[in-house]
Amino acid sequence: GAGVSQSPSNKVTEKGKDVELRCDPISGHTALYWYRQSLGQGLEFLIYFQGNSAPDKSGLPSDRFSAERTGGSVSTLTIQRTQQEDSAVYLCASSLVSGGRRNTIYFGEGSWLTVV
Amino acid sequence: SQQGEEDPQALSIQEGENATMNCSYKTSINNLQWYRQNSGRGLVHLILIRSNEREKHSGRLRVTLDTSKKSSSLLITASRAADTASYFCAPGRPGGSYIPTFGRGTSLIVHP
Repeated sequence: GAGVSQSPSNKVTEKGKDVELRCDPISGHTALYWYRQSLGQGLEFLIYFQGNSAPDKSGLPSDRFSAERTGGSVSTLTIQRTQQEDSAVYLCASSLVSGGRRNTIYFGEGSWLTVV
Repeated sequence: SQQGEEDPQALSIQEGENATMNCSYKTSINNLQWYRQNSGRGLVHLILIRSNEREKHSGRLRVTLDTSKKSSSLLITASRAADTASYFCAPGRPGGSYIPTFGRGTSLIVHP
């Protein structure tokens, strides 16, 4: 597609429910990133996928968070048993090459998650 | 990962003035990128400067890089109200995977 697409753009869920957030990266981009941003805070790295390599999950805050990337394209971030502190904007990004010279990262518009 | 720290945290200026934001980092890099974010939405890439470059221009943007001081600055000249946004730097480390980590950014407000 023309850009990184995320869905839903907004999600309100009850505490304890599971949520799934979807990211469609730019076609052909091998690297995909998930970040989250709480109100007034910086971006917190969550997870990184690069091609067929094992994902870097070092940023996931707890085992309630998981992500997968099917077929090297679409990614889904799943949050189980949501808590109020999970409320944030979840941003997905992709890039053509990881490392090297062509590493401009393109972000989606984010998914606003509110846990009530 | 390689995190940049932006300074100041907040900057408020009048339209037409110049805005300068700074970024510091801790380890060696092969490039550094600046991004802009409007109202908590996605970040937009502004400019990339490589480690062997000292200055780069793009329109009203001027970026400098001092690898000896591990710092970079972003200058927006003749600012406009539409420049109001948060600005983030992302240092890129040489070799290996590239996972930029971002600081809290500089929140710029340009008053019309």
